Amino acid sequence: DSGVTQTPKHLITATGQRVTLRCSPRSGDLSVYWYQQSLDQGLQFLIQYYNGEERAKGNILERFSAQQFPDLHSELNLSSLELGDSALYFCASSVGTSGYSYNEQFFGPGTRLTVL
Amino acid sequence: AQTVTQSQPEMSVQEAETVTLSCTYDTSENNYYLFWYKQPPSRQMILVIRQEAYKQQNATENRFSVNFQKAAKSFSLKISDSQLGDTAMYFCAFMKHGNDFNKFYFGSGTKLNVKP
Repeated sequence: DSGVTQTPKHLITATGQRVTLRCSPRSGDLSVYWYQQSLDQGLQFLIQYYNGEERAKGNILERFSAQQFPDLHSELNLSSLELGDSALYFCASSVGTSGYSYNEQFFGPGTRLTVL
Repeated sequence: AQTVTQSQPEMSVQEAETVTLSCTYDTSENNYYLFWYKQPPSRQMILVIRQEAYKQQNATENRFSVNFQKAAKSFSLKISDSQLGDTAMYFCAFMKHGNDFNKFYFGSGTKLNVKP
């Protein structure tokens, strides 16, 4: 158990809908990262938050947005869903108190999104 | 931009034998970190081993060791005495040291099958 929690575990929805994925980082971790993993693919970095602020952006679509709240949990919002958005969405966290320190990422169990 | 390449999409090994997974990366940075993550069928991402680029000594974690060749930008993972539980996808990852707040770059993965 990495200490990172994600809800829900599974999500099935229809095209055009909007969903929200939730992530709670490990206790003490300030950085949260979101990744998308399509079937049999590698992990695509979407976005990173550090202590409530956006820090890095990857290949995140405009239909997707995220935020990190004062209690450090994060939400990833996916709207106008398309079939191709079906994937496993991972959240990871790290201590991230300094950009000059070594910080491994701890991954949550993922949310499996199926768009029908 | 940093890129990570895993040139072996799939590999097989007999139980108790040794296997080496390849990873190369491209960067102009001098200080960075490298990781191997394991993703078993459960899809959980599990850290296997990590290496700091400034350390010449290769990292070792029980049956897992790396061969880090900085000049060649190569970071291979050796699994000794392979066990059935080692069957998984293995991802190589790169992280810059500095102000990038721990953004990870992942390779496309190598699927390892350990055969009884």
